Amino acid sequence: DAGVIQSPRHEVTEMGQEVTLRCKPISGHDYLFWYRQTMMRGLELLIYFNNNVPIDDSGMPEDRFSAKMPNASFSTLKIQPSEPRDSAVYFCASSLRAPWGIYTEAFFGQGTRLTVV
Amino acid sequence: SQQGEEDPQALSIQEGENATMNCSYKTSINNLQWYRQNSGRGLVHLILIRSNEREKHSGRLRVTLDTSKKSSSLLITASRAADTASYFCATLRDNYGQNFVFGPGTRLSVLP
Repeated sequence: DAGVIQSPRHEVTEMGQEVTLRCKPISGHDYLFWYRQTMMRGLELLIYFNNNVPIDDSGMPEDRFSAKMPNASFSTLKIQPSEPRDSAVYFCASSLRAPWGIYTEAFFGQGTRLTVV
Repeated sequence: SQQGEEDPQALSIQEGENATMNCSYKTSINNLQWYRQNSGRGLVHLILIRSNEREKHSGRLRVTLDTSKKSSSLLITASRAADTASYFCATLRDNYGQNFVFGPGTRLSVLP
């Protein structure tokens, strides 16, 4: 498997523009996570899905942020309108829950470095 | 809010020395995991320890877990320059979800 694939790797956009980040999880994984990493705030969990259903979105900072998972192999994180303070590295990760309830590790993508100017 | 807090924030050692990093957390957990992040890259899973385990080994890594103190430690023995990275602990906050919460990390520098 190619691992978790994120696109684009880098995104530079102007304030007020819409930004869409994309993620393809590892095939067969039933959990998908979106994180944001900044120097000031570290790694923040924004939202996670289980079997394509959003379970916890309490980390989404504002209504400008939205995430979708239309199927098991694709998820998007959208920011609209974007602001300079949204500049960060956004990571997508996926994991698998074993049938007997044992939680496994999360596999991370390489991240999308977003710069809003 | 962050569940895990790593200590120290930064650590600098000579190649061949051992490196110890600590993690404290606040609520009960299902398991605790350690990850490594090289500069500009995604996080890579190192080791997982379950709440009913006290110690676990993987190669040069040794992890301990003390649930009474809500703390864990990661020991890297015989460190190498390639171990230079940031290390994060992640806790699974409850038994009903999989919302991994990461601490701020420890930046380890191994000098040749």
